[in-house]
Amino acid sequence: KAGVTQTPRYLIKTRGQQVTLSCSPISGHRSVSWYQQTPGQGLQFLFEYFSETQRNKGNFPGRFSGRQFSNSRSEMNVSTLELGDSALYLCASSLYTDVSGNTIYFGEGSWLTVV
Amino acid sequence: AQSVTQLGSHVSVSEGALVLLRCNYSSSVPPYLFWYVQYPNQGLQLLLKYTTGATLVKGINGFEAEFKKSETSFHLTKPSAHMSDAAEYFCAVSDFLGNEKLTFGTGTRLTIIP
Repeated sequence: KAGVTQTPRYLIKTRGQQVTLSCSPISGHRSVSWYQQTPGQGLQFLFEYFSETQRNKGNFPGRFSGRQFSNSRSEMNVSTLELGDSALYLCASSLYTDVSGNTIYFGEGSWLTVV
Repeated sequence: AQSVTQLGSHVSVSEGALVLLRCNYSSSVPPYLFWYVQYPNQGLQLLLKYTTGATLVKGINGFEAEFKKSETSFHLTKPSAHMSDAAEYFCAVSDFLGNEKLTFGTGTRLTIIP
C-alpha cells in the first residue's frame, strides 16, 4: 500500500511569505503528526492530530499551525517565514494514537528553504 | 520532561565489525523507546521499539537493542556491519502517556569502512 505522501517535496520561499505543506497518511490511518528537522535543533515535534482534533502541540510560535481534514489528510502552515524556518518537515501517520500498540510511519518530508 | 542523549554524533566501523550506537534516556516513568534510521534524502524508518515485556528487542535488518532500566539505556547493536547500514540513526522516547509526541536524540551518523 502507498506510504505517507508529502507535497511538495522541495520548495523555496522568501522571508515574510507563508507556506502550506500537505500530508496524505497511509490509507486507514487516522493519526497524523508533524516534525521539524534542522541541523541545529534536530527533530522537534510540532503537532499531533487525530480525527480532526489537535491532541498535542510542541513548543513552536503561533506562526506554525496545522489542521486535519475528515479524510485524515493534514496540512501545516507557516506564516511570516523566517530564515530559521528552513528545514525538513516530516509528517508521520499511524492507525491510532497509542504508540505502544501501533507503528508510526514517516513520509520522506518537505524540504523548505527560506531565502 | 523527557530527554534522550545519543553519545557520539559520528561512529565509524569496519564492514563486518560490531555496531554499537549508544542511547540514554531521562524519564520519570517507564518510557516507550524507539530507534529510527534515516537514509539520505529520506524520511525515518522504524528499526525497533520497546514498550513492555522482554527487554531485548529485535528489529529489522539484524539490529537489536536492550532496555536497561538501571542504566537508563537503550543501546542499538548489530553483530556484523554491512555497507548498506551507513545512515543516520535516531533514538527516541515517547510521551509518558504513550501518545505520538516523540522526543528524539540528536542522531548518530554511522559510516561503514570497507
